[in-house]
Amino acid sequence: EVQLLESGGDLVQPGGSLRLSCAASGFTFSTYAMSWVRQAPGKGLEWVSAISGSGGTTYYADSVKGRFTISRDHSTNTLYLQINSLRAEDTAVYYCAKARGLFGVLTNLFDYWGQGTLVTVSS
Amino acid sequence: DIQMTQSPSTLSASVGDRVTITCRASQSISSWLAWYQQKPGKAPKLLIYKASRLENGVPSRFSGSGSGTEFTLTISSLQPDDFASYYCQQYNSYSPTFGQGTKVEIK
Repeated sequence: EVQLLESGGDLVQPGGSLRLSCAASGFTFSTYAMSWVRQAPGKGLEWVSAISGSGGTTYYADSVKGRFTISRDHSTNTLYLQINSLRAEDTAVYYCAKARGLFGVLTNLFDYWGQGTLVTVSS
Repeated sequence: DIQMTQSPSTLSASVGDRVTITCRASQSISSWLAWYQQKPGKAPKLLIYKASRLENGVPSRFSGSGSGTEFTLTISSLQPDDFASYYCQQYNSYSPTFGQGTKVEIK
């Protein structure tokens, strides 16, 4: 059974940093691309970042480019999102999501999602 | 980025009703479109991919259609478990985007 368990969300001040983690199990972690998707309170879904199965290729939404860094550790089957220079508009539930495949369009089709971790940016 | 526009934003319906949600893409995405269901406080759940393919375990009352820039999600007979929010998502590009969502409420 595929399981994704996020952690690391917290209340942080503007300009602060945070590292989110997503522990994956139930599938061959290195075989699939992974993404982070966020949802501001009462709002819709926004894709944030993606990483290839090997970890060698990363993608970012323009809204987070230069501030967020996605990475993965195949020894612990964990996905990470390092978030720096936090802004109020980064307040959201952050979900990790497993891609359907390793290549092409399937890397952006999300078939399993974690339960999410809440990041609140406020002074 | 490809913009996705859903309509309506909110839909009031009764159990047993046939419900249709529309999603439009700002440029052609072929059939690379997915539909997700989300209940309050829960993660999204994949319902349909490649515009019309039903994900394993999803009831057959859900169906999808369309290609290019116009897509629809149809629930043939609304059940109590279907009151939720629904999002379309294009996965044609390296920057996937979602529609703003449609909330299906009890009439």
